[in-house]
Amino acid sequence: KAGVTQTPRYLIKTRGQQVTLSCSPISGHRSVSWYQQTPGQGLQFLFEYFSETQRNKGNFPGRFSGRQFSNSRSEMNVSTLELGDSALYLCASRTDGGNTEAFFGQGTRLTVV
Amino acid sequence: DQQVKQNSPSLSVQEGRISILNCDYTNSMFDYFLWYKKYPAEGPTFLISISSIKDKNEDGRFTVFLNKSAKHLSLHIVPSQPGDSAVYFCAASVMNTGFQKLVFGTGTRLLVSP
Repeated sequence: KAGVTQTPRYLIKTRGQQVTLSCSPISGHRSVSWYQQTPGQGLQFLFEYFSETQRNKGNFPGRFSGRQFSNSRSEMNVSTLELGDSALYLCASRTDGGNTEAFFGQGTRLTVV
Repeated sequence: DQQVKQNSPSLSVQEGRISILNCDYTNSMFDYFLWYKKYPAEGPTFLISISSIKDKNEDGRFTVFLNKSAKHLSLHIVPSQPGDSAVYFCAASVMNTGFQKLVFGTGTRLLVSP
């Protein structure tokens, strides 16, 4: 069974640009969450999508947005990039319903210069 | 406001001995707890979880203990192996309108020496 796949693995962008990251969850998983990992803040929750609807959102500015498609694949978009957006962006998928473990992809390393 | 805290940034243990990683939380609404292991440049790998209705869960060399009154959980690895060297994150789950949000600690780097 394939795991969570994130593309691209590495990305370098310039301040002010926008970026789109992609996540394909484990087959059968309908919940996709996004997290940002930085050295100072650890893993911070961005948002969770379930059946194409955003059901939960963390404390990030509106420049961070996402969406989920009917096949459960998800994209995350960051507009007007800032240097502080440099981080490892992780996607996690899990089965629906209740508390279950989330399985993470390898992440996308975004560097903003 | 750090709701999940791992106060030890690092831990060194000899191979074969027990590793004990600790985690404290402040939000009494948390009802599900997980431990993840992370290698550099990789995503976290799920290790073990525990529901708030239990106080212990075992899976092979890994055991998680939950003390709700103290708002404390710990991960025991016995025996420790060099391959266990990684950063360990504890996470707590808040179910909000039926959907899960994981709150992570800042991690503890475990080094197991031969």
